Amino acid sequence: LAKTTQPISMDSYEGQEVNITCSHNNIATNDYITWYQQFPSQGPRFIIQGYKTKVTNEVASLFIPADRKSSTLSLPRVSLSDTAVYYCLVLLNQGGKLIFGQGTELSVKP
Amino acid sequence: GAVVSQHPSRVICKSGTSVKIECRSLDFQATTMFWYRQFPKKSLMLMATSNEGSKATYEQGVEKDKFLINHASLTLSTLTVTSAHPEDSSFYICSARDISGRPSYEQYFGPGTRLTVT
Repeated sequence: LAKTTQPISMDSYEGQEVNITCSHNNIATNDYITWYQQFPSQGPRFIIQGYKTKVTNEVASLFIPADRKSSTLSLPRVSLSDTAVYYCLVLLNQGGKLIFGQGTELSVKP
Repeated sequence: GAVVSQHPSRVICKSGTSVKIECRSLDFQATTMFWYRQFPKKSLMLMATSNEGSKATYEQGVEKDKFLINHASLTLSTLTVTSAHPEDSSFYICSARDISGRPSYEQYFGPGTRLTVT
């Protein structure tokens, strides 16, 4: 099982770009990298998913190097409402199980 | 986007009683649903995989006789906590995978159910 490692916490200020890097050294060939956001007492919310290179949607970008052993979630111009826990997950190909790591608690300050 | 609901959102029960939590996919069909529990300030822990029309697959260390899972239709899975004890108090979250989704197997999470056992 691919295990992920990410910083426990990060601080930022409104308007800044935030980059959260995740390590997944044992990622398998068919695995996808997925990021979720969770607010207190709510279910996780899908942010972005990718396999290689770069993926961008309306809320974030995901950068994946060629070896795929890490990935970086980039949040442009964060606001206070982006304060949450961000989880990096590797989607196991054999059934879609999501195994959550510890996540990164992002705190955005005014 | 796809919506997953859970009912109830909060429940308080007495020790020794059983509690049923429902997970529904509202606008898509899900052959597979997942159940998680989350303690305060901790990450989500996968409990089991619920498969429509077949027995659930439990993760190591999760008691299948204590946490009964039924996935009777493509839009409903239920988790029953039997003979609940205070240590079962937790935040229970389900997720569902859209069978018609992309090969990337995107999952949609419910809002969670807060269980408190007194």
